Amino acid sequence: DTAVSQTPKYLVTQMGNDKSIKCEQNLGHDTMYWYKQDSKKFLKIMFSYNNKELIINETVPNRFSPKSPDKAHLNLHINSLELGDSAVYFCASSIRGEVGQPQHFGDGTRLSIL
Amino acid sequence: SQKIEQNSEALNIQEGKTATLTCNYTNYSPAYLQWYRQDPGRGPVFLLLIRENEKEKRKERLKVTFDTTLKQSLFHITASQPADSATYLCALGNTGGFKTIFGAGTRLFVKA
Repeated sequence: DTAVSQTPKYLVTQMGNDKSIKCEQNLGHDTMYWYKQDSKKFLKIMFSYNNKELIINETVPNRFSPKSPDKAHLNLHINSLELGDSAVYFCASSIRGEVGQPQHFGDGTRLSIL
Repeated sequence: SQKIEQNSEALNIQEGKTATLTCNYTNYSPAYLQWYRQDPGRGPVFLLLIRENEKEKRKERLKVTFDTTLKQSLFHITASQPADSATYLCALGNTGGFKTIFGAGTRLFVKA
């Protein structure tokens, strides 16, 4: 059973296009996240949602719009894709509550902008 | 600004030896520190959590220390095996719990 699943795994598209990445978790977690891992391998948080409510928006361009239709899903829509958006995007989830709850990650979506 | 530093150079060790990875941080007072393992093409996998009031944690062959005075954590893998070869990420968080900051990771190669 996949705990955190992302689709698609690979996404190759042209500059200027709009694309979406989907994420689902079957762990019953309250909190979900989107991270961007660039070529230097830093994992940077983009958004955090708790019970479908946006908690963290780390100064991400408003071309990126997360949507959480329910606690188990957090999708990421990106408008007007730019070359600098090329990266691996990871979705994660965790239990809300005790400090330091581990995050469970999906296997990433590799986005390449041509 | 907050900064986490992990050795960017890969660590090469012989099977059976102890691997020690370092995580240093500045401009931050974390409530907790975590270590994750990441294999190529996969997402990070949680390994260990240590809180600010704890000095050391162990789990099987893994040991982590946390020195809030030095602002440093050490991650040890004893009796290392080739299967331990991966990138290991250090992560820090505060009491709010929603924002975790990750280091860039250290690549570990264990040779048979």
